[in-house]
Parts: sequence; C-alpha cells; structure tokens
Amino acid sequence: GAVVSQHPSWVICKSGTSVKIECRSLDFQATTMFWYRQFPKQSLMLMATSNEGSKATYEQGVEKDKFLINHASLTLSTLTVTSAHPEDSSFYICSALTSGSYTDTQYFGPGTRLTVL
Amino acid sequence: GQQLNQSPQSMFIQEGEDVSMNCTSSSIFNTWLWYKQDPGEGPVLLIALYKAGELTSNGRLTAQFGITRKDSFLNISASIPSDVGIYFCAGQYSGGGADGLTFGKGTHLIIQP
Repeated sequence: GAVVSQHPSWVICKSGTSVKIECRSLDFQATTMFWYRQFPKQSLMLMATSNEGSKATYEQGVEKDKFLINHASLTLSTLTVTSAHPEDSSFYICSALTSGSYTDTQYFGPGTRLTVL
Repeated sequence: GQQLNQSPQSMFIQEGEDVSMNCTSSSIFNTWLWYKQDPGEGPVLLIALYKAGELTSNGRLTAQFGITRKDSFLNISASIPSDVGIYFCAGQYSGGGADGLTFGKGTHLIIQP
C-alpha cells in the first residue's frame, strides 16, 4: 500500500515553454501533498505544500507564479513549471501524506527529471 | 530553510561491515525519518521515529531518536551489496505529519567488493 506515482518520469522541453507534472496517490487519499526539488548530488528541498481544495503554501524563495500547483482531488496534485528556463532543470519529487491511527507518514513518488534546453 | 547536519558525507566499506551515520540539528524536531534513495528514483522510507529516546529496528537497520530531539542516528549491520545508495535523514516539526520535511545532505554508502 501507500503507492505514489508521477507522470512523466522525464521530460525535455525548450526554454520558455510550460511543463506539467502529475502526482497521484494510487491506493489512498491524500488531502496534503508536497513538492520537492533536488539538484544533482544535493538533498531534497521543499518547494510547496499542496492542500486539496485550497491554495498551495510556498516555501520562502519559491515563486508561486512560476511553479503553479493545483490539488484538484484527493488523489491528484499537479505542478506546472511556467516559462521554464535551463536553471529550472532538476529532479522534481512529490510526496503524499497518508493518515494512520498513530501518526501520518509521507510517501514519495519516483520523481520527474526535467531538462530545459 | 534550515538543513540538517548529516555525517559522514560518504562511506567506503567492505561487505559485511556495520555502518553508522547521524544527523544533528540546532532546533527541535518532533519526528525523525530515515530514507534511502537510489539513483533516479524517489526516497523510500526506512524508519520513522516519533518519540524522543525511541529506538526502532527494521531488519538490519536500527535508528534512534535523540533525547534532546535534535539528533538521530541510523545503523546498518552486516552490510550487503544492495545497501548501496544515498541515505537521507529528515526532520519534521509537527508530530502530526502535516509539515514538509527538512532533509539532511545525505550519506553516500559505497560497498567495496
């Protein structure tokens, strides 16, 4: 259980275009999902918290108009990188929060490799 | 945002050896988590710790939540080739899990034949 998928697994786009990444919780409902970014040989950095039915909460330094987040249902959150530039090239990873009887746990998707030419 | 201090940055060991890595923070976390990440994939949860002083095992892995809530360690006993990868600690401020995670910089485990 607690499987999270991402689509696409990798994408190459031209500078100036927009790219949409999907994050789905396959076997559970997630009112909260998170988006992280990981540059090569570095750690994961939290970008934003995505809440179903409400606006996302962005971390300091993350442009909300550039990284659009939509949490349309309890199993789907999307991240759209608008007007992508080469410096946006990175590994984008989502996680979904599952509620347990004792506490909540985040499960991660497999990641999406974005390369902007 | 704050980052956790994770050490060592990398480890070169022989198969069968035990491994130990740790994370420290200047502030308190209410949850500590340990993940393993293979190249090109997302992190996989290994152990979750929710109480200060808690010692939890998962097979050959053992992790502890420091009493001060500012540190945690992960031990791997009798390492095997599939243990190779990058291990991340992660802290969470809220005990309920609704916060994003703060990650350490990772420990790259390499097993020499």
